[in-house]
Amino acid sequence: GNSVTQMEGPVTLSEEAFLTINCTYTATGYPSLFWYVQYPGEGLQLLLKATKADDKGSNKGFEATYRKETTSFHLEKGSVQVSDSAVYFCALNVNAGGTSYGKLTFGQGTILTVHP
Amino acid sequence: DGGITQSPKYLFRKEGQNVTLSCEQNLNHDAMYWYRQDPGQGLRLIYYSQIVNDFQKGDIAEGYSVSREKKESFPLTVTSAQKNPTAFYLCASSTHAAGANNEQFFGPGTRLTVL
Repeated sequence: GNSVTQMEGPVTLSEEAFLTINCTYTATGYPSLFWYVQYPGEGLQLLLKATKADDKGSNKGFEATYRKETTSFHLEKGSVQVSDSAVYFCALNVNAGGTSYGKLTFGQGTILTVHP
Repeated sequence: DGGITQSPKYLFRKEGQNVTLSCEQNLNHDAMYWYRQDPGQGLRLIYYSQIVNDFQKGDIAEGYSVSREKKESFPLTVTSAQKNPTAFYLCASSTHAAGANNEQFFGPGTRLTVL
């Protein structure tokens, strides 16, 4: 089956520190990979995505590269801000002959707290 | 503005009562989804619907029911059969269900507490 494993949190950083949140996956077929962000008390927002191997998704200073050889999609940001404090979810979707029905499989989420 | 609305934001229910959570979207999306979020866990799929008048069970459908009578609406009923209903419920939609690249757009969520 499909599964996503994220590094356990919470992660606490000082402002301007470098961020890495690890994400690895197992999938039957060729997945698309996503990072979603959830700010306190809100729903999820798509942060970035990659749909094939070696693709790099990027948005708001965050980046993640689809590594098929290591089945990974690690999230990085060079300099975090207090406003980046949120929960980050890695997710995948596998189109198995057009019958994926858009079902996302999520990791457990990583809480990030950035201090001034 | 286009988007997904969920109501109410907070909901309290007594044990043994059914309760219905609202989800409306004006994005003209075909597919809609309900997820449950518990602390320290990722989101788990309850039900999804690809088109009007059609829906399928997700991973944790027991104790829940849905309807899809209109394209823009996908209400979720939490029944008394759901043994542990206290959670944060998220509704989502996408342009169409099939296709791994489709982004899902999420509503703000409803926090249900059983007293």
